[in-house]
Amino acid sequence: DTEVTQTPKHLVMGMTNKKSLKCEQHMGHRAMYWYKQKAKKPPELMFVYSYEKLSINESVPSRFSPECPNSSLLNLHLHALQPEDSALYLCASSPTSARGEETQYFGPGTRLLVL
Amino acid sequence: AQSVTQPDIHITVSEGASLELRCNYSYGATPYLFWYVQSPGQGLQLLLKYFSGDTLVQGIKGFEAEFKRSQSSFNLRKPSVHWSDAAEYFCAVGATNDYKLSFGAGTTVTVRA
Repeated sequence: DTEVTQTPKHLVMGMTNKKSLKCEQHMGHRAMYWYKQKAKKPPELMFVYSYEKLSINESVPSRFSPECPNSSLLNLHLHALQPEDSALYLCASSPTSARGEETQYFGPGTRLLVL
Repeated sequence: AQSVTQPDIHITVSEGASLELRCNYSYGATPYLFWYVQSPGQGLQLLLKYFSGDTLVQGIKGFEAEFKRSQSSFNLRKPSVHWSDAAEYFCAVGATNDYKLSFGAGTTVTVRA
């Protein structure tokens, strides 16, 4: 089973709201990723967790706050977002660590609209 | 650092015709190469990958890709396209000394009846 699940599928929020995106995998993978993808563009890496510790933050604004409660779960907490943050947010996982030879498996994404 | 170029932004192909998507990479050592497909509004699905060994790689949905080191290419092919193959295709390269997957800009495939 190479499934990564994400909830919700769609989210509409105002600029003063606080919301969270959730990602789950049961493949026993130890690296998990958040990506942001704008229309007709490739995914852009935001955060990497390796063995439940934040290992990479790609200079993401603090209004995005990741959390990894356990090895299967990854959250992205959103607060005071801007309209330009509207995008598809993708979660991915890979078996052991964030290295080039690791295959990343992606979830279906959460489509976020910030009004 | 590694990088990927997908020269074709958009390709239109008739159903039943063959398809080839180009991917060129830049990396000094042996790369780890991936092709992903993304249907509208969906996540990325892994089609195939190349790490080492046989340079012709078979993937899911009837796709294959060939690694050519001399040309720094990893082109994706399908002999007979189905309407459901209409999607965005991304080539990506990984490197041992880098945590990041480098994606190409993507190629949009349209299938006409």
